[in-house]
Amino acid sequence: DAKTTQPPSMDCAEGRAANLPCNHSTISGNEYVYWYRQIHSQGPQYIIHGLKNNETNEMASLIITEDRKSSTLILPHATLRDTAVYYCIVRVATDNQGGKLIFGQGTELSVKP
Amino acid sequence: DAGVIQSPRHEVTEMGQEVTLRCKPISGHDYLFWYRQTMMRGLELLIYFNNNVPIDDSGMPEDRFSAKMPNASFSTLKIQPSEPRDSAVYFCASSSPSGTSGGASYNEQFFGPGTRLTVL
Repeated sequence: DAKTTQPPSMDCAEGRAANLPCNHSTISGNEYVYWYRQIHSQGPQYIIHGLKNNETNEMASLIITEDRKSSTLILPHATLRDTAVYYCIVRVATDNQGGKLIFGQGTELSVKP
Repeated sequence: DAGVIQSPRHEVTEMGQEVTLRCKPISGHDYLFWYRQTMMRGLELLIYFNNNVPIDDSGMPEDRFSAKMPNASFSTLKIQPSEPRDSAVYFCASSSPSGTSGGASYNEQFFGPGTRLTVL
């Protein structure tokens, strides 16, 4: 699976959009970009994933560049409850591995009032 | 569904003792994963099962660690003997094909609350 690079930490003001970048310059054609987050003292939680088109769900939006070498997770109106570590993971969508995840260090997002 | 259930939530034991962590996956999920999280190493995949069969145990640190899945609704992770460096939060997760995206199925993993293990 391709390696990802994320900034170790970011701050965001409550109510503003949080834009979390991820670089994955070695991504392969059959690899998807997944985002999970981990709120303090809880298990990680799935947010969103995508291949090449932008994706949106009730939690966030995912913007993938045309060359697929980087992506941005957008939380449109960050709240204090969005304070967490956000993990960007690149992997094939279906590989008979049940969604096996290799976590990096992630970005620690602090939403401030 | 109650989600993935882990027990105990906290465990404090002394070096050399046997420790058993338990996990009940979400009903109907056919994959089960054990992860370990420490400040130094982050989240590491230890082992995973498919239909109760261990598929990849390359992340298990050493022979002191063993994992079993006797049936579809129960798994254990055992450490014998335990050492202080085993202190960590241990997560269990389960998954099953969650849908399709771009024509391919994908698996969303659901994590339990974790077991915080302290070995003195």
